[in-house]
Amino acid sequence: GAGVSQSPSNKVTEKGKDVELRCDPISGHTALYWYRQRLGQGLEFLIYFQGNSAPDKSGLPSDRFSAERTGESVSTLTIQRTQQEDSAVYLCASSPPGDFYNEQFFGPGTRLTVL
Amino acid sequence: KQEVTQIPAALSVPEGENLVLNCSFTDSAIYNLQWFRQDPGKGLTSLLLIQSSQREQTSGRLNASLDKSSGRSTLYIAASQPGDSATYLCAVRAYSGAGSYQLTFGKGTKLSVIP
Repeated sequence: GAGVSQSPSNKVTEKGKDVELRCDPISGHTALYWYRQRLGQGLEFLIYFQGNSAPDKSGLPSDRFSAERTGESVSTLTIQRTQQEDSAVYLCASSPPGDFYNEQFFGPGTRLTVL
Repeated sequence: KQEVTQIPAALSVPEGENLVLNCSFTDSAIYNLQWFRQDPGKGLTSLLLIQSSQREQTSGRLNASLDKSSGRSTLYIAASQPGDSATYLCAVRAYSGAGSYQLTFGKGTKLSVIP
């Protein structure tokens, strides 16, 4: 079956512009995660959605970052007024219903470059 | 704040060798630990998941151990093959402080297996 997909695969933008990154989770997966991987760094947790519950936004680095998800469908990560330090690979993952022991399935990521 | 460290950062071995990758974490209050593989341009693939109550997990040529009290895990790869070349990531799952349980990743070990 289809895995987690992300679009675009690459995005180049100018400093100060807004960008939207999209994630399509595996069908039936209730949990969705966004991570950021900056060059030479480990993956950083950004935000977590579980069904219709309030999302865990504790990893968002600033109020320029936001994410939405409608039900158990696609999610959009928005970065406003992009800065050069936002350059990174943004990874999305989803996992099936259940508890927090469940395996996360990752998408291929979106590489964001802010000039 | 949980910190995960992986040693070495890079490793090059001849084909057929057995090898060990190391992971350490600063806070032992974890729920599980996962080892992932990351290939260039692709997402993460989960290799092994060890619950906090377990000592080790095995899958094929891979064996992961967990010593929760000392904050250490190792990933043992037997009879390495060129196809094992990738970056290996260690991640621990713990309470985020905002109502959910999230992964904290190390920076990874880049493995090259030379034919």
